Amino acid sequence: DAGITQSPRYKITETGRQVTLMCHQTWSHSYMFWYRQDLGHGLRLIYYSAAADITDKGEVPDGYVVSRSKTENFPLTLESATRSQTSVYFCASTGARVLLREAQYFGPGTRLLVL
Amino acid sequence: SQQGEEDPQALSIQEGENATMNCSYKTSINNLQWYRQNSGRGLVHLILIRSNEREKHSGRLRVTLDTSKKSSSLLITASRAADTASYFCATDVEGGAQKLVFGQGTRLTINP
Repeated sequence: DAGITQSPRYKITETGRQVTLMCHQTWSHSYMFWYRQDLGHGLRLIYYSAAADITDKGEVPDGYVVSRSKTENFPLTLESATRSQTSVYFCASTGARVLLREAQYFGPGTRLLVL
Repeated sequence: SQQGEEDPQALSIQEGENATMNCSYKTSINNLQWYRQNSGRGLVHLILIRSNEREKHSGRLRVTLDTSKKSSSLLITASRAADTASYFCATDVEGGAQKLVFGQGTRLTINP
């Protein structure tokens, strides 16, 4: 089915390990986003991408790396996981353009626990 | 600090009553959006109101925007148990690159 999917949905890892969270959308949306959701902080933007091979930092980028070689995929990598990165991660996309702002569509989330 | 702040943080009402949530923000915006999040799920877009609009309706939802006060409200009329969720406002900041800044949300509970 068309939409935005995330994998894995749940992940347990250990401090220091590398973890990659996957995001895939079938709408050919140009913009994609990664957020983390923590109690007391709401959703905070980690990284975003305006198109393939164009990425930029959000509010809390430290410790994360992204890439966007294809329009439909936007993986998020934690290079060396820390306990403070335990969170729920949401991917989102929008087909908005510079002069036409639109809603974002969210994936179901990945729950990450770093031990 | 958060661009959008919701009030109240939690709201509990009886089924059939109306629910009102408020959002305040700090900088100029392109638009303001409201999202719903059911427990353990992703966010679902409800409604978008542009900076040149003052009121918008969608089904049982009514959103107002007052750019002079930098505030918005979301009204859900005739609430149902299925409306139980967290509601977030998000601002599309003027000059920003399609980025949304979310508030911390209002937790709405509809009691049967």
